[in-house]
Amino acid sequence: GEDVEQSLFLSVREGDSSVINCTYTDSSSTYLYWYKQEPGAGLQLLTYIFSNMDMKQDQRLTVLLNKKDKHLSLRIADTQTGDSAIYFCAERVGSNYQLIWGAGTKLIIKP
Amino acid sequence: KAGVTQTPRYLIKTRGQQVTLSCSPISGHRSVSWYQQTPGQGLQFLFEYFSETQRNKGNFPGRFSGRQFSNSRSEMNVSTLELGDSALYLCASSLAGGQGVEKLFFGSGTQLSVL
Repeated sequence: GEDVEQSLFLSVREGDSSVINCTYTDSSSTYLYWYKQEPGAGLQLLTYIFSNMDMKQDQRLTVLLNKKDKHLSLRIADTQTGDSAIYFCAERVGSNYQLIWGAGTKLIIKP
Repeated sequence: KAGVTQTPRYLIKTRGQQVTLSCSPISGHRSVSWYQQTPGQGLQFLFEYFSETQRNKGNFPGRFSGRQFSNSRSEMNVSTLELGDSALYLCASSLAGGQGVEKLFFGSGTQLSVL
């Protein structure tokens, strides 16, 4: 069945790079997304990648997609305290409106 | 451009009561979806409305219902509240309603506590 999995927690030192990983099961994904949720707020779209792409870079963010292994990652360079949040991976399958969501990875920044 | 507005921000109810939550999407957005977020279950899809019609529905009991008005504003209703309904309820709107990249814009949510 359809499933998206993420680790629940990631702890990194300020200034280091953070790599948040996500695996999915449905090979007919069209788009894959990363959303960010700060404390007390709703989710905010960070970036997305089309399924025929391998990589997308946007300032400090790099998204890598390995379709063979059904693995998606989000790299945040030079992690800052403002990056503390929960990061959700989501998958869109075909033309279905409903996204399939991971459980979210809480990014903890150590000083 | 104003973002997605959800009211109220916080709500405290007792078991057995009913509750109505409101969501005003971004101007021009015709699709509104609702999610329940809890620490244990993560983000669960409730339903999605497009042009006043429910287009998709998640796996929730019939106590959860919604509707969308002609101005795209949406309401969600939960009847006969249970303790397990305590959660953050998030509303998201989108422009394309299923086309292309489909970017969702979320409100800040309504935190519902059932006592």
